[in-house]
Amino acid sequence: AQSVTQPDIHITVSEGASLELRCNYSYGATPYLFWYVQSPGQGLQLLLKYFSGDTLVQGIKGFEAEFKRSQSSFNLRKPSVHWSDAAEYFCAVGGGATNKLIFGTGTLLAVQP
Amino acid sequence: SQTIHQWPATLVQPVGSPLSLECTVEGTSNPNLYWYRQAAGRGLQLLFYSVGIGQISSEVPQNLSASRPQDRQFILSSKKLLLSDSGFYLCAWSAGADTQYFGPGTRLTVL
Repeated sequence: AQSVTQPDIHITVSEGASLELRCNYSYGATPYLFWYVQSPGQGLQLLLKYFSGDTLVQGIKGFEAEFKRSQSSFNLRKPSVHWSDAAEYFCAVGGGATNKLIFGTGTLLAVQP
Repeated sequence: SQTIHQWPATLVQPVGSPLSLECTVEGTSNPNLYWYRQAAGRGLQLLFYSVGIGQISSEVPQNLSASRPQDRQFILSSKKLLLSDSGFYLCAWSAGADTQYFGPGTRLTVL
């Protein structure tokens, strides 16, 4: 079955600290992988995506993610977190002609001053 | 550039009342269109998707329906709302098998 697992429901980090949000997926074909961010009451904003090629992808706001096929993972990282990064982060997998996305349940990030 | 609109932004409806949520996309042609629902504390659940006018695929059997009367218009409807229909409804579009871009969402509360 196709699925996405984000094992951390809630993470708190200090401002300036590094961040890693975990994402594992199960997908029968070559996956397209995405990270989205959602502020309260807002829609989802794309942070970055992986379709093919270099397994380390750079996104907006200083985020990056690494695709590891052997581990079925696509973890999101940021070297230094800013207070404005506090939000909910969703990992998603998809692809194919219909391009349907399967989302994880999200990780809520809190940033301490 | 492309933009996606959803309205209304917020809606409070009694149980048993009808529903119509609208999504429109500007700046592109023949987009794939999607409706998702986000319940409190949960991820996004795909409800419907459409790859063209009049072509609707349903992902989850439920109290809702969708229609695509025009190329860039996607409507989510219900004849009689249930309490369980409460949630945050998001519309998204993509250019074929490419990145999905999301609208601002509609917060629906059924009382």
